[in-house]
Formats: sequence, C-alpha cells, structure tokens
Amino acid sequence: GAVVSQHPSWVICKSGTSVKIECRSLDFQATTMFWYRQFPKQSLMLMATSNEGSKATYEQGVEKDKFLINHASLTLSTLTVTSAHPEDSSFYICSAPSVAHTFGSGTRLTVV
Amino acid sequence: GIQVEQSPPDLILQEGANSTLRCNFSDSVNNLQWFHQNPWGQLINLFYIPSGTKQNGRLSATTVATERYSLLYISSSQTTDSGVYFCAVVPLADRGSTLGRLYFGRGTQLTVWP
Repeated sequence: GAVVSQHPSWVICKSGTSVKIECRSLDFQATTMFWYRQFPKQSLMLMATSNEGSKATYEQGVEKDKFLINHASLTLSTLTVTSAHPEDSSFYICSAPSVAHTFGSGTRLTVV
Repeated sequence: GIQVEQSPPDLILQEGANSTLRCNFSDSVNNLQWFHQNPWGQLINLFYIPSGTKQNGRLSATTVATERYSLLYISSSQTTDSGVYFCAVVPLADRGSTLGRLYFGRGTQLTVWP
C-alpha cells in the first residue's frame, strides 16, 4: 500500500531559527501533497497545497514567507518554518493522495 | 466550504462494548475516509468509503452518499481503540477528483476503559 514518510518526528529549536520538515511518498508519485497543522485537542487545519514544479497554494491566513514549501520532485515536499517563534509550536503533518489520502507520521515542533 | 460534523464529540466505553460514530456532511462528496489518530499523533487510515459498506475485523463503515452521512461501527472495543476518530471528505465540486484536499470533522474522542 501507499506509504508516506515524514521526518523528523519531533524537533526542538530555539526561537529565531528555521526548521525543515520532509515529506516523502515512498512507493508512488505525488504531484500534489498537503500540509496540515494541528493544535492540541483540535482538528487538522490545511495550511497549504504543495504542487510539484510550481508554487504552493496557501490557505487564507497562512504566512507564505514564514512557511516555505518546496515540491522539487514527484516524491518529496518540504516545509520550512522560518524564524520560528513559540507560537509556531504545533503538530505538522503531511499527506499525499493516491487512491486515498495517506498521511505521514507527523512532526511535533517545539520552539523554545 | 463543505461542513463536516461528527458525533458524539466524546465517547467513553468499557472494554467489550460496541459503539457507533456518525459523520454528516453538507454537500456531495467523491471521497470519504475514516481515520484513527493514536496518542502519538499518527493518522491511520481505517476506511476509504465514498459509498457503500466495508468491514475490516471489528470495524465496519457505511456511507449513504445520497443522505450525506457515514457511520463507523466498532464492535467488542479494546483499550487500544482509544484515540480520536476523524471523518474527512473531498467535495465533489473540488475538480471532480478524489485527489483534492480533505475537509476534516472535529473528531470523536474515544476512551475505552479495561
């Protein structure tokens, strides 16, 4: 079945630094991937749609310059949180659709 | 956009009990999935079920697309079933493709006690 790998699983970083999260489709190609954010005890909120070879599409209210998305190949999308602040601490999770949507294991980001 | 409502928001069961989780959606869909989010945050795909009925072990799901709802049945619940169950859909209006973004409900928090 379809497998999506996401790294790292967790990361702690200092305020002001940048963090890169990778999302890979291991056994299928994904021209589109999705990045979600989840706060404690809340549902998943779509941040952006990552499109291979073109610019990402961001949801309203998501800062493009803070959350940089790169989808350079058919199997890899990256999300970079730039100049991270404590309010960026959250659970970030990606998905890639084949027949159904398959999710990565998520990344728990803590900014101190 | 499409509205996805799940009920109940919380459910507490004793091991061995059966339960039914419901998902209502406000518009036609061409993709509906049920997920289980475990305590570590992993989203496990339980069913891809835009219509019809499927069963997988103690779990089964039914989607009645014409009436815009889906049900997830858990029989003989176990402590390992605890977690949050999400229903998510892709609206039919979204490019007519199952590959569009998912819209999530708020989830049902299930706690199973031994």
